[in-house]
Amino acid sequence: AQKVTQAQTEISVVEKEDVTLDCVYETRDTTYYLFWYKQPPSGELVFLIRRNSFDEQNEISGRYSWNFQKSTSSFNFTITASQVVDSAVYFCALSDTSGNTPLVFGKGTRLSVIA
Amino acid sequence: DAGVIQSPRHEVTEMGQEVTLRCKPISGHNSLFWYRQTMMRGLELLIYFNNNVPIDDSGMPEDRFSAKMPNASFSTLKIQPSEPRDSAVYFCASSRDRGLIKEFFGPGTRLTVL
Repeated sequence: AQKVTQAQTEISVVEKEDVTLDCVYETRDTTYYLFWYKQPPSGELVFLIRRNSFDEQNEISGRYSWNFQKSTSSFNFTITASQVVDSAVYFCALSDTSGNTPLVFGKGTRLSVIA
Repeated sequence: DAGVIQSPRHEVTEMGQEVTLRCKPISGHNSLFWYRQTMMRGLELLIYFNNNVPIDDSGMPEDRFSAKMPNASFSTLKIQPSEPRDSAVYFCASSRDRGLIKEFFGPGTRLTVL
């Protein structure tokens, strides 16, 4: 069975600090996809990234970066120089590669960035 | 392109009433998912369809919940009778197999059962 664990329930940082959100997953699939979604206070789920299991290169997009380590089954998300607008709940998720099966979500990490 | 459309966006009803949530997936997508989000349980899958056929409804809480997908462009999630513990945000998502391999989520329906 697939499982995603986000051990950090809530994190609070001061603006401009860097913050890392942890994600650990379990799966028996040899290929799979990992995702991060952002849920701002308005409630919608905003797609941030999808990573294929065979691509272990770290990815950077602006202030966001993702560290995928297959050896530790982790897919951590770092926000550099955090801003108040980054305050949201962040979900890590896992799926197989078929595209027609559901995502398995972690419980989410609530990030509060204080000005 | 229009995203996933859900209606209503907000629903307030009284215990015992029937509630119907609606979803229009993105055109061309052949998989549709219903999720429920609560504080206690987080985001949980209720049911999903491939090519309009229900594949896994093991997440449906009980017989009070039912879902249909009569065609590729419409799905409903019905709760009859509703109970206060059904209060949650219900998300619909759609995807295309072997396509972009990500689920596009609708804005959600916030249901409050008094």
